Amino acid sequence: QKEVEQNSGPLSVPEGAIASLNCTYSDRGSQSFFWYRQYSGKSPELIMSIYSNGDKEDGRFTAQLNKASQYVSLLIRDSQPSDSATYLCAVNSLAGANNLFFGTGTRLTVIP
Amino acid sequence: DVKVTQSSRYLVKRTGEKVFLECVQDMDHENMFWYRQDPGLGLRLIYFSYDVKMKEKGDIPEGYSVSREKKERFSLILESASTNQTSMYLCASSLRTSGRGPPYEQYFGPGTRLTVT
Repeated sequence: QKEVEQNSGPLSVPEGAIASLNCTYSDRGSQSFFWYRQYSGKSPELIMSIYSNGDKEDGRFTAQLNKASQYVSLLIRDSQPSDSATYLCAVNSLAGANNLFFGTGTRLTVIP
Repeated sequence: DVKVTQSSRYLVKRTGEKVFLECVQDMDHENMFWYRQDPGLGLRLIYFSYDVKMKEKGDIPEGYSVSREKKERFSLILESASTNQTSMYLCASSLRTSGRGPPYEQYFGPGTRLTVT
């Protein structure tokens, strides 16, 4: 079982809709959870971090964490074509205190 | 703003050449990381460093070495480049976790797309 799993997609949503991206992780002791956005040919860019159960909102983005079920999700409200990218979920590795495991990413396309 | 820079955006090398990829960060981060990213395989950790002159192997260290002589600079070395090392190489940095606290977010450089022919 991979440490971090994401549906590779592609996920297509119409402009203005809510995009929902999901991620599951294997280690119950994980403490830090991050979402990165990666445009084609570019490097990952941090968009959200979450450490506690519940929701965390930042503008159009909401991260949701459920440690009991070992999943973390990202909601993008009022999706825009500029949100079209690959979204990477990252979770800390207990084996190396400062290391992160990355999922392979979900490709999101927002259709104008 | 955190800034992580990498020496080249694109690089073409021949099989057997020694290749140096350099990464510099300007935020006084203790931790630095080298990843490679390949389609369908995601980000894979090659080496990381928690401090000057410190290095630790990641998941795929074979064929690579690293050097960290100064806090802000972390170099990745391909001793003898091979075609299977054609990839996107990403450097990242982060603050070091204090005690048993959760790790901090990593910030990435722009990446180096290396082609070995």
